[in-house]
Parts: sequence; structure tokens; C-alpha cells
Amino acid sequence: DVKVTQSSRYLVKRTGEKVFLECVQDMDHENMFWYRQDPGLGLRLIYFSYDVKMKEKGDIPEGYSVSREKKERFSLILESASTNQTSMYLCASSPGYGYTFGSGTRLTVV
Amino acid sequence: GESVGLHLPTLSVQEGDNSIINCAYSNSASDYFIWYKQESGKGPQFIIDIRSNMDKRQGQRVTVLLNKTVKHLSLQIAATQPGDSAVYFCAESHSGGGADGLTFGKGTHLIIQP
Repeated sequence: DVKVTQSSRYLVKRTGEKVFLECVQDMDHENMFWYRQDPGLGLRLIYFSYDVKMKEKGDIPEGYSVSREKKERFSLILESASTNQTSMYLCASSPGYGYTFGSGTRLTVV
Repeated sequence: GESVGLHLPTLSVQEGDNSIINCAYSNSASDYFIWYKQESGKGPQFIIDIRSNMDKRQGQRVTVLLNKTVKHLSLQIAATQPGDSAVYFCAESHSGGGADGLTFGKGTHLIIQP
């Protein structure tokens, strides 16, 4: 069965900390994505990647960066966490059509 | 930019009835549409998709209808069950399959009444 695994379900971090959110897929998909989900705003695309070492900005990349050193792993980095980055973060992968999502990481920045 | 929206944030239906969840999109270049279901505490789960060269597609108990003339998408769930209770999102892409990212609507919370 297709699987996207996000390493943490819940995280609490302090303002100014560097935060790493990890995502691993076991489907050999080229495309991977990071979204954040907020009440009333739905899912918004932060960054995506077509292939290893490639990355593209989504709709709301400010305050984030990403890393894709291996095909199966796509990391989201908050360089200096702020309270407005408190959110649910969802990772997804795709072979070209349709996405498979992970279960999400609920990040709270205090 | 393009937007994808849903008409109702909440829809309440009786168990056993059919449910219809609607979605409007604004980008006439959109060529691929997906419906997702998200249960509490979980990530979105794929339900059904449709490409713009079709106007109807059926799955198990679900049907997606696409009206490109009025840029409208709907999800029909037959014989709604308690397990159907969730938030439903429509999503669209103009890049052939979402390789550049999907644009999501804000979701409709489907509530099943016994």
C-alpha cells in the first residue's frame, strides 16, 4: 500500500528555533509537496519538488525552505520559527496524477 | 490567481440519503480535478478524480460531475453512511495532473444524522 510518512504528529517549538519537518514516501514518486492547512484558509502550497535537488516555490514560500537530497525524502525547514507558522503541515507525493498525503504534523510555535 | 471554492462550509444529511457536495472553480484552464476526504486528525484521502475531457465519472458509491460551461464540480455520495462524516475538498490543476501543485477549495464538512 502506498505510504507517505511524516516523522512527527505533534511538535512544539519556540520562536526563533530552526525547525525540520521530515517526509518520506515509499512509492518512488518524482513529485513531492508541502502544504499548510489553516482553518478558513484551506490547504496552501508552500514548496514542491520535481526531482532530487530540485525545488519550486509554491504560493506561500516566505519563511520556509526545503531540501530534497534523496528521491524518497522531502524536508521542510523553518529557518526561524514564528508564531504565525503555527499550523498543520501536510506532505504529499505524486507520480503525476493524484496525490497521496501523509497524516500531517501539527506544529505549535510558542 | 485562480481560486476554487465550495458553496457550503457545512452539509447535514440523514443516514441513507444521498449527499451532493458542490464546488466552483474560476480558472478556465483547469484540466484536472480531484475530490479528497479528510477525517479528523488525518491527512486528506483521495476519493475520485476527473479530467476535463470528461463530464462524469463513477466510483464505488461516489460520482463526480464536471460542468465546464459554468465551471462547476460536484461530488455525489450514494446512501450516505456514518463513516462518510468528514471534510470534503475539491482541488484543481491546470498542469495536467497537479505536478505544479493543486489548488484546493476550503472544504465542506459533511455531517451525518442518524
